[in-house]
Amino acid sequence: QSVLTQPPSVSGAPGQRVTISCTGSSSNIGAGYDVHWYQQLPGTAPKLLIYLNSNRPSGVPDRFSGSKSGTSASLAISGLQAEDEADYYCQSYDSSLSGVVFGGGTKLTVL
Amino acid sequence: QVQLVQSGAEVKKPGASVKVSCKASGYTFTTYDISWVRQAPGQGLEWMGWISSNNGKTNYGQNLQGRVTTTIDTSTSTAYMELRSLRSDDTAVYYCARGGYRYGYDYWGQGTLVTVSS
Repeated sequence: QSVLTQPPSVSGAPGQRVTISCTGSSSNIGAGYDVHWYQQLPGTAPKLLIYLNSNRPSGVPDRFSGSKSGTSASLAISGLQAEDEADYYCQSYDSSLSGVVFGGGTKLTVL
Repeated sequence: QVQLVQSGAEVKKPGASVKVSCKASGYTFTTYDISWVRQAPGQGLEWMGWISSNNGKTNYGQNLQGRVTTTIDTSTSTAYMELRSLRSDDTAVYYCARGGYRYGYDYWGQGTLVTVSS
């Protein structure tokens, strides 16, 4: 069981908008630690998608956006494209574990 | 450009040790931490630990305490991760990544597959 909870899968048609939730607790997201998001295409290393809750690294399309509230965070992807089909992971820090924690990952399927 | 290049795949027997290297280039090595993350086949990401490239200070995941050691060689801009007493459930792709928990991991190595099998 991951410390950060994500839905195992989400899906959407091309052009639609999907959101992926990341639910934590008072020792991680709720304690004020920032959330980062990664995209992992099959057979490749993860890629930083969103950092510090809502910031996009250079080169990441503005179709990807992040937010954080309370003990949860969300990744939204608008204007879905076939190339967005991948696994998505959230990441934060947990003070009880004194270490980094990842969500279990969400597989996005573009229908 | 920033690159993290890892050593090649390894096959080890249970009880053995493995040491994976991660050579950094394209930036000042001592200004970013190096973290290690692994991914078992078909599974999610698991944080293993990080090391400060500035002072060598380390922090490890609780589930790996005592079996993992990360080191750095600033003269060659290379980080190392050694995992001891290998078990079959240590079979995974091991990644190094630049950065720490505060800002996320902005560059990743290509991954090193470690297979533990008798």
